[in-house]
Amino acid sequence: NAGVMQNPRHLVRRRGQEARLRCSPMKGHSHVYWYRQLPEEGLKFMVYLQKENIIDESGMPKERFSAEFPKEGPSILRIQQVVRGDSAAYFCASSEDRGPTEAFFGQGTRLTVV
Amino acid sequence: AQRVTQPEKLLSVFKGAPVELKCNYSYSGSPELFWYVQYSRQRLQLLLRHISRESIKGFTADLNKGETSFHLKKPFAQEEDSAMYYCALFSGNTPLVFGKGTRLSVIA
Repeated sequence: NAGVMQNPRHLVRRRGQEARLRCSPMKGHSHVYWYRQLPEEGLKFMVYLQKENIIDESGMPKERFSAEFPKEGPSILRIQQVVRGDSAAYFCASSEDRGPTEAFFGQGTRLTVV
Repeated sequence: AQRVTQPEKLLSVFKGAPVELKCNYSYSGSPELFWYVQYSRQRLQLLLRHISRESIKGFTADLNKGETSFHLKKPFAQEEDSAMYYCALFSGNTPLVFGKGTRLSVIA
């Protein structure tokens, strides 16, 4: 089991471009969570998805950000028209169930907007 | 709203000295509390959870509902304990809520 895989590890985008971050959960895990870590900040929850459903997107900015977890393939976090303030580390985690179970984290994607 | 507070951004201790990483939470119900650790260039990983009441790598943490705290302790710090430590809360309604983290530096 390769664990939670995120790619790319590093992503550089110019202002106004789109960023697509991918997350493949652990085998058998159907719950995916995205977190953002800004410099000097902790991990901030963004969105929680199950296969084909968004369960909780209370941490997602209202504009430019979207997430999906299709029936087949990885979960995608999409940021449209990126701005400098989007520069951060984005972490994905997956779990087998919803609940106080262990969530396994990926190594993160570091997005730099220039 | 749930909140996790880790008051120390950086904690430096000498090897062999006791360590206490502080964590306070705000939540009116009965939360599940966790400590996660991130070693240099590695992914975030679960260190321990309060419901299992176990000791991992010599670390323990006790949930104190009266003080709404879940401090992480180790009697004798080792150099390999140097890492970022995150306290996290699960309330059953939202996914894990994390504190801002404390960087532990163990000096030889």
